[in-house]
Amino acid sequence: AQSVSQHNHHVILSEAASLELGCNYSYGGTVNLFWYVQYPGQHLQLLLKYFSGDPLVKGIKGFEAEFIKSKFSFNLRKPSVQWSDTAEYFCAVHTGRRALTFGSGTRLQVQP
Amino acid sequence: NAGVTQTPKFQVLKTGQSMTLQCAQDMNHEYMSWYRQDPGMGLRLIHYSVGAGITDQGEVPNGYNVSRSTTEDFPLRLLSAAPSQTSVYFCASRLHGTGTNQPQHFGDGTRLSIL
Repeated sequence: AQSVSQHNHHVILSEAASLELGCNYSYGGTVNLFWYVQYPGQHLQLLLKYFSGDPLVKGIKGFEAEFIKSKFSFNLRKPSVQWSDTAEYFCAVHTGRRALTFGSGTRLQVQP
Repeated sequence: NAGVTQTPKFQVLKTGQSMTLQCAQDMNHEYMSWYRQDPGMGLRLIHYSVGAGITDQGEVPNGYNVSRSTTEDFPLRLLSAAPSQTSVYFCASRLHGTGTNQPQHFGDGTRLSIL
């Protein structure tokens, strides 16, 4: 069965610092990859997604992610974080099954 | 433009009580699912449905029942609540489509505490 690993459980950054959150998955076939964000007190929102084509995908609010097939990774990046980026971030994988498999989440805290 | 609506937003139950978490979507999505979110565990799939009259178990189905009598509604039932079911519950929906690349739309969540 597929699994998703997010190794950074809690990340604390200062504003303007660069961000990279790791996401690795275990599945040998074709995957669709997602990053979701959950701001405090709000529901999950789709940040970006990869289906095929250019492995570097851009999402909302200046986020981007790179799919590296050989490393089974889909890391999330942002060049300069803002206080408003404080949230929990979930990586998710969609395969031939009918549901998403989520990672355990990374809590990002941005200090002003 | 309601999207996915979950009710209630908060609920406190005593052990052994039953209740139903409601989920409705107005986007004519075939696929609906229930997740629970626990600290350090991410989201885990409880049950899902690919259309009216069809349901299936997810990763953590024990203690929960679902039904899908209409496309719009997908209620989650706790027959006898246990403290281990204290969690935040999210309902999600998406188009079924011909592939797996449809993003999911999530409700606001239901925070459930079992005493």
